[in-house]
Amino acid sequence: KAGVTQTPRYLIKTRGQQVTLSCSPISGHRSVSWYQQTPGQGLQFLFEYFSETQRNKGNFPGRFSGRQFSNSRSEMNVSTLELGDSALYLCASSPGTDTKEKLFFGSGTQLSVL
Amino acid sequence: GESVGLHLPTLSVQEGDNSIINCAYSNSASDYFIWYKQESGKGPQFIIDIRSNMDKRQGQRVTVLLNKTVKHLSLQIAATQPGDSAVYFCAENGLGGSNYKLTFGKGTLLTVNP
Repeated sequence: KAGVTQTPRYLIKTRGQQVTLSCSPISGHRSVSWYQQTPGQGLQFLFEYFSETQRNKGNFPGRFSGRQFSNSRSEMNVSTLELGDSALYLCASSPGTDTKEKLFFGSGTQLSVL
Repeated sequence: GESVGLHLPTLSVQEGDNSIINCAYSNSASDYFIWYKQESGKGPQFIIDIRSNMDKRQGQRVTVLLNKTVKHLSLQIAATQPGDSAVYFCAENGLGGSNYKLTFGKGTLLTVNP
């Protein structure tokens, strides 16, 4: 079974631009979560989607948004990029039917904002 | 200027020794806990999980202990190997508004010396 796939692996953008990151979950998983990882803040929850609906959201500004498609693939978008958005963005998937589920993570997209 | 980052607790052990990594969690209502391992350049990898109705759970070379009284979690790795060198995170899945979301600890850097 293929794991969680995130594309692209690396991105370099400049301040003010926007970016879209993509995530393909493990086959059969309907929940996709996004996390931001930085040296200063560690791993922080962005949002979680299940069957195209956002079920939970972290404390990030509205510049961070996401969506999920009918095939469970997900994208997250960051608009008006700031230097502080430089981070590793991790996507994770799970079946999504139990609040006590382990998440399976992809390798992440490393975003650098210049 | 100097960058501000998480000062990860570090643990350095000799190959073959047993390792114990500790974690204090915050939410007394959390009912599910997970340990993840993250190697450089990769996403977090699931190691072992435990539900709050258990005190101990064993896997291959790993044991997780849960002390709900003091909100403490530990990961024991037997016969530590150089391949175990990584950052280890504990995560909790709280109840109520925190469903479908994991809250991660700061992480511990484990270094195994050959």
